[in-house]
Amino acid sequence: DGGITQSPKYLFRKEGQNVTLSCEQNLNHDAMYWYRQDPGQGLRLIYYSQIVNDFQKGDIAEGYSVSREKKESFPLTVTSAQKNPTAFYLCASSPQGGYTEAFFGQGTRLTVV
Amino acid sequence: QKEVEQNSGPLSVPEGAIASLNCTYSDRGSQSFFWYRQYSGKSPELIMFIYSNGDKEDGRFTAQLNKASQYVSLLIRDSQPSDSATYLCAASGTYKYIFGTGTRLKVLA
Repeated sequence: DGGITQSPKYLFRKEGQNVTLSCEQNLNHDAMYWYRQDPGQGLRLIYYSQIVNDFQKGDIAEGYSVSREKKESFPLTVTSAQKNPTAFYLCASSPQGGYTEAFFGQGTRLTVV
Repeated sequence: QKEVEQNSGPLSVPEGAIASLNCTYSDRGSQSFFWYRQYSGKSPELIMFIYSNGDKEDGRFTAQLNKASQYVSLLIRDSQPSDSATYLCAASGTYKYIFGTGTRLKVLA
């Protein structure tokens, strides 16, 4: 089955901790994205990558970091510098970033405890 | 700042009626437009995409694009209670997507 897998589905972070959210796709898509969604809000772009070993900051990159060492994988680290990390995090991929449709994983809900 | 604007709603329609969802965008360079449906607590699911001016139909859904007016719409015919969700409009940017904040649709049984 082709698709985008995010894990874990739910994640709890203590104050001051770094946590990493996983995103894997087997669609052979070049472009991958991370979005943050807060209750009742739209999607805000954190980071995106068009190709392996290259990525760009989105609108709200502060306090987050990413890597793209493999085409299939685009993990997101929420660092302790992100002061309000509680949100729903969505990973997406696209064959041709921005020009063709993007497909989303099932999301990770991160809560600070 | 390139933007996509949507009325947040809720838009309430009776079961069996046509629901009309609208979206405007600011970047004249946008070439592709997408409609996603998002149920509460779930991830967005692609419904339709449109690249050319005019209408594009897929089952009960019709997307309409008017590039001169920078306007995109989604019509849902024979609305069902299961269509109750938030509908996100997105426009293509340079290698990325610009999302609106979504319109919440409620179909009343």
